[in-house]
Amino acid sequence: GQNIDQPTEMTATEGAIVQINCTYQTSGFNGLFWYQQHAGEAPTFLSYNVLDGLEEKGRFSSFLSRSKGYSYLLLKELQMKDSASYLCAVRDSNYQLIWGAGTKLIIKP
Amino acid sequence: ETGVTQTPRHLVMGMTNKKSLKCEQHLGHNAMYWYKQSAKKPLELMFVYNFKEQTENNSVPSRFSPECPNSSHLFLHLHTLQPEDSALYLCASSREDSGSSSGANVLTFGAGSRLTVL
Repeated sequence: GQNIDQPTEMTATEGAIVQINCTYQTSGFNGLFWYQQHAGEAPTFLSYNVLDGLEEKGRFSSFLSRSKGYSYLLLKELQMKDSASYLCAVRDSNYQLIWGAGTKLIIKP
Repeated sequence: ETGVTQTPRHLVMGMTNKKSLKCEQHLGHNAMYWYKQSAKKPLELMFVYNFKEQTENNSVPSRFSPECPNSSHLFLHLHTLQPEDSALYLCASSREDSGSSSGANVLTFGAGSRLTVL
């Protein structure tokens, strides 16, 4: 079967750096997505990786290794507003999105 | 505001009630989706409409009935639901090409309708 694994919850300190990992086993690969979802709000798109390597967007970066079935989202200079759930999703060979259960990130002062 | 609006935001209904969830998008997208989000579980795709045609129905019980009258509006009609149907129901839209989906084809989500079935 197809599976996406990410930690259920992580805690980090304001101003620090945190890395949220995502590993996947899917039937084929056509891109990996990260979304951010604040409590009670819509998930919003953060990043898309289809080739190996690091994509940087301001304080957020996303890394992909297709050979390892692995991605991470790196958040730098953490702010309280970064407290949210982070959802990893992979598009398989049928262009279907397979979702992880999300990682709840708690930022402490 | 994402450009995808869902109403109502909260709904409490009994098992014998009939209600509907509404989704509207102002982004010019041509594909719309219903997802179910339960605590600590992955998003579950329920229905997909592409160019107003239903292209996916992921073995969803018949007590959920979707309707897509045009490319901007999507409904989810609910009747005789069960308590385990209590969840957040998310609507999303995207711009899909008529062929296979290359490129990002990012989903834009609404804030969801929180459904509680008593």
